[in-house]
Amino acid sequence: EPEVTQTPSHQVTQMGQEVILRCVPISNHLYFYWYRQILGQKVEFLVSFYNNEISEKSEIFDDQFSVERPDGSNFTLKIRSTKLEDSAMYFCASTPGERPPGTFGSGTRLTVV
Amino acid sequence: QKEVEQNSGPLSVPEGAIASLNCTYSDRGSQSFFWYRQYSGKSPELIMFIYSNGDKEDGRFTAQLNKASQYVSLLIRDSQPSDSATYLCAVVQETSGSRLTFGEGTQLTVNP
Repeated sequence: EPEVTQTPSHQVTQMGQEVILRCVPISNHLYFYWYRQILGQKVEFLVSFYNNEISEKSEIFDDQFSVERPDGSNFTLKIRSTKLEDSAMYFCASTPGERPPGTFGSGTRLTVV
Repeated sequence: QKEVEQNSGPLSVPEGAIASLNCTYSDRGSQSFFWYRQYSGKSPELIMFIYSNGDKEDGRFTAQLNKASQYVSLLIRDSQPSDSATYLCAVVQETSGSRLTFGEGTQLTVNP
């Protein structure tokens, strides 16, 4: 069964550094999403992306965040200058149409020190 | 008021019993409602979704929706130890396209 893959599974970075989280969505899917989950807290929506544009973003997704689909297969989340509070599990998802995801990638655990 | 509220638990039931998980939401215009299961350290996986008032059954799972009371629930019949996980209620609010707003989840433990 096709699945969303995310790399790396765990990334440790120093505060103020830039990080790029990578996702390979399911092929032929058109909508892409990033969510995050701070340890012990709820899952939170960050951004949705369609047709090479952000279609919706949350209050969390400020100027420090950006998304890109640099080629036909990858979907990336960049955090320009990481803060301690960015430490979380980041989940990517994709769907064929505009609807909530059924499954998410296995996640990237970002630890900012 | 939280947008999506769940009892954090933990909820503990014996194997074979019915587990009942509850969720309330604040946005009266919400149209679609989802239950995800999340095992510790893993990503959420969709169990059920429901759009209309009433019950929706899928195997051992039944989702119930009451829009007038802004209440959605998940029943798990014949609970198994493998059902032990955190159950996340999520809502698509009226003004959002496919953006999920999650509750904090209810931790369920099924004891053999």
